[in-house]
Amino acid sequence: GAGVSQTPSNKVTEKGKYVELRCDPISGHTALYWYRQSLGQGPEFLIYFQGTGAADDSGLPNDRFFAVRPEGSVSTLKIQRTERGDSAVYLCASSLQRDNTGELFFGEGSRLTVL
Amino acid sequence: AQSVSQHNHHVILSEAASLELGCNYSYGGTVNLFWYVQYPGQHLQLLLKYFSGDPLVKGIKGFEAEFIKSKFSFNLRKPSVQWSDTAEYFCAVIAGYSSASKIIFGSGTRLSIRP
Repeated sequence: GAGVSQTPSNKVTEKGKYVELRCDPISGHTALYWYRQSLGQGPEFLIYFQGTGAADDSGLPNDRFFAVRPEGSVSTLKIQRTERGDSAVYLCASSLQRDNTGELFFGEGSRLTVL
Repeated sequence: AQSVSQHNHHVILSEAASLELGCNYSYGGTVNLFWYVQYPGQHLQLLLKYFSGDPLVKGIKGFEAEFIKSKFSFNLRKPSVQWSDTAEYFCAVIAGYSSASKIIFGSGTRLSIRP
């Protein structure tokens, strides 16, 4: 498809388990963002990639969260030892411009529920 | 650190009423400003953006926003709302033009339009 694709759309897991969330950005978009959105809140910045490297990972809440983008396209957000407080919708967005003046194109999100 | 404030959490209007949603940001330097909208069941999408030039910017569906630098504000307006404008609206800001800059979102304003 032409848009940003995120899988899975829904993930239910138990506390303490490991989770991977995948984002396939729009072809040719160099910038890729991960955000987390809790109910009633705006998207909270997690990490931002330009190409393969993380330009800014200051939003990752702790070392249980990690993200990669090895070939500068698909990205995976990895959460270790999940906690109930990690439950949220994880949003991925991509952008064409390198200087962040461009529009962000968002995916539908991955809803994570930690029981 | 930069931040974005949206003081109206939930706004309820009747059709044909005029709309103004407030947005204030905290950053003293150059900013890029955005309004994103999330219609029920859909992903976030760009409504309008300001980078430079005319501080009054026009977006899709009759929306406009005015950048007032002295007030650190970027309020969203529409002269006459429609039922289809029911959605959640997010103001966002990038501080500066660095490729390392990230986009920060406000907490959102839920707009409900009574038919």
